[in-house]
Amino acid sequence: ILNVEQSPQSLHVQEGDSTNFTCSFPSSNFYALHWYRWETAKSPEALFVMTLNGDEKKKGRISATLNTKEGYSYLYIKGSQPEDSATYLCAFIKNSGNTPLVFGKGTRLSVIA
Amino acid sequence: GAGVSQSPSNKVTEKGKDVELRCDPISGHTALYWYRQSLGQGLEFLIYFQGNSAPDKSGLPSDRFSAERTGGSVSTLTIQRTQQEDSAVYLCASSFATTPNYGYTFGSGTRLTVV
Repeated sequence: ILNVEQSPQSLHVQEGDSTNFTCSFPSSNFYALHWYRWETAKSPEALFVMTLNGDEKKKGRISATLNTKEGYSYLYIKGSQPEDSATYLCAFIKNSGNTPLVFGKGTRLSVIA
Repeated sequence: GAGVSQSPSNKVTEKGKDVELRCDPISGHTALYWYRQSLGQGLEFLIYFQGNSAPDKSGLPSDRFSAERTGGSVSTLTIQRTQQEDSAVYLCASSFATTPNYGYTFGSGTRLTVV
């Protein structure tokens, strides 16, 4: 059984604050890590797909890093805005990749104006 | 269509009834996945289809659950003799392949409530 752990479970920040959350996953047989944003009443939306140790990806104010040897990834949001309020999910694939994503429970972010 | 389409968006059913949930993936996507999220839980894998290969049914919680994918396109998830613990949001996703370099495109889900 794979365990993908995310912390914190929920987070409230003020508009303009920067924040980050953690995803931990089994470091053996790593193949890829995905980050998704899931806004209320919408579909989960892919943010990043990361495959290499040391990878760092950025999309606007959001960035992510990956450490496959120790089994963690960080998601950073710089200058949080109310529209960033969502649940952020990470998901892991092992081995050859011919398996479905295993998701964590997510971090629910609320940005207060 | 432009995205993954799921229907119905909401379904309320009585305990013991059968329900069918439909997913229309993005044209050309060979892989199709079903997940569900129960209250307070993470996304739970149910089943996935890849091309003409036999589906991976390892996540189906009981034999009351089944799914098929006709013609490599539309998929139907069927739950027989529904129970209250089946209440959840059922999400369908598709991707170009099961390789990890492609993100999944999700539908907006079906919220199932068993009363």
